Amino acid sequence: TQLLEQSPQFLSIQEGENLTVYCNSSSVFSSLQWYRQEPGEGPVLLVTVVTGGEVKKLKRLTFQFGDARKDSSLHITAAQPGDTGLYLCAGPDSWGKLQFGAGTQVVVTP
Amino acid sequence: DSGVTQTPKHLITATGQRVTLRCSPRSGDLSVYWYQQSLDQGLQFLIQYYNGEERAKGNILERFSAQQFPDLHSELNLSSLELGDSALYFCASSPDSSGNTIYFGEGSWLTVV
Repeated sequence: TQLLEQSPQFLSIQEGENLTVYCNSSSVFSSLQWYRQEPGEGPVLLVTVVTGGEVKKLKRLTFQFGDARKDSSLHITAAQPGDTGLYLCAGPDSWGKLQFGAGTQVVVTP
Repeated sequence: DSGVTQTPKHLITATGQRVTLRCSPRSGDLSVYWYQQSLDQGLQFLIQYYNGEERAKGNILERFSAQQFPDLHSELNLSSLELGDSALYFCASSPDSSGNTIYFGEGSWLTVV
């Protein structure tokens, strides 16, 4: 059982559309991170959210941390082909080990 | 470039063999993490070292072992290799042991034939 559940598993959209991916857990996290991974490469850290209710923006990407610190979302506005990748959320468990969700594969077609 | 260096990038070896994967963390980082990523299992935490000491253990098989040296580089040893060990092995590092923010290397592709 994944500590962090991500949905959807796969998302295919056209360039210019918006999308949202979700990361949910029954556990409270001190922080949550979002990574993007491209084939054959390591995950690249996009953002860390630490405060319940926090919203962070990174150009066209908006990250939100739930008030109860159990969930997070990533919203991409006007998606571009360069946004294609595997989006992973991660959070430290009670022993400080960073646990990852299974990821959402996003494909943006021109 | 995350600053985390892993070697080798690709490795093909036969079942029953032993391999060593090497990792140099970002300058100044004290924690090193090892993860395994396969198609069916996703990114699985194996083990963490902090300043030379084992800090946390995840789903690491007994056939696998790791260590962190005084210069903070780390090695992951995989022995009695099986076909199912074929995967991407990532090393990551962070300044502390909290796991709040970690930076990944580009991974070592291991293929067991």
